Amino acid sequence: GENVEQHPSTLSVQEGDSAVIKCTYSDSASNYFPWYKQELGKGPQLIIDIRSNVGEKKDQRIAVTLNKTAKHFSLHITETQPEDSAVYFCAASKATDKLIFGTGTRLQVFP
Amino acid sequence: GAGVSQSPSNKVTEKGKDVELRCDPISGHTALYWYRQSLGQGLEFLIYFQGNSAPDKSGLPSDRFSAERTGGSVSTLTIQRTQQEDSAVYLCASTYGGDRKEQFFGPGTRLTVL
Repeated sequence: GENVEQHPSTLSVQEGDSAVIKCTYSDSASNYFPWYKQELGKGPQLIIDIRSNVGEKKDQRIAVTLNKTAKHFSLHITETQPEDSAVYFCAASKATDKLIFGTGTRLQVFP
Repeated sequence: GAGVSQSPSNKVTEKGKDVELRCDPISGHTALYWYRQSLGQGLEFLIYFQGNSAPDKSGLPSDRFSAERTGGSVSTLTIQRTQQEDSAVYLCASTYGGDRKEQFFGPGTRLTVL
């Protein structure tokens, strides 16, 4: 079955710098790749997703890139702010299968 | 509109007792998931309901764990004879199902087994 690996497990950046989180997946049939943000004491919330028919998607300060050949996708956050501090999860799935989540990245943005 | 709700928000129980955790999904969502999240850890998949299909129970860690979904809506996760290692946050999520995969998570139930 699908396996999703996520790196790094923790990431600390200075406010205003960029942050990049990377995930790899094992099943080449996977075609949907969302990213979730989990703030302390809350459930995860979808922040951006991408399907396999595109290579990049942007939404203001966040972007996701997908390399189907290498089977990896990345989350890019530019101009980071303290409120970006949270745990971020990537996930992958195919067809109508359930999402398989990565192990999470704890992002800390220092003022 | 209303999101996914879970109750109770916190549950403290003694080792060996049974507990029931409840999830109310978003109206119209056909798929419902349960996850377990230990402190500082990732999302451990437990069970998945999709419409009238047989649930995917592949993530349940032992036969002490069970879940049901009544009328295609509310779901209850039951843990029998709780153990200290069951202490975690239990998250529920729902989706429209099929190709609409965004999962909407509830706030979770924090279970502490003494």
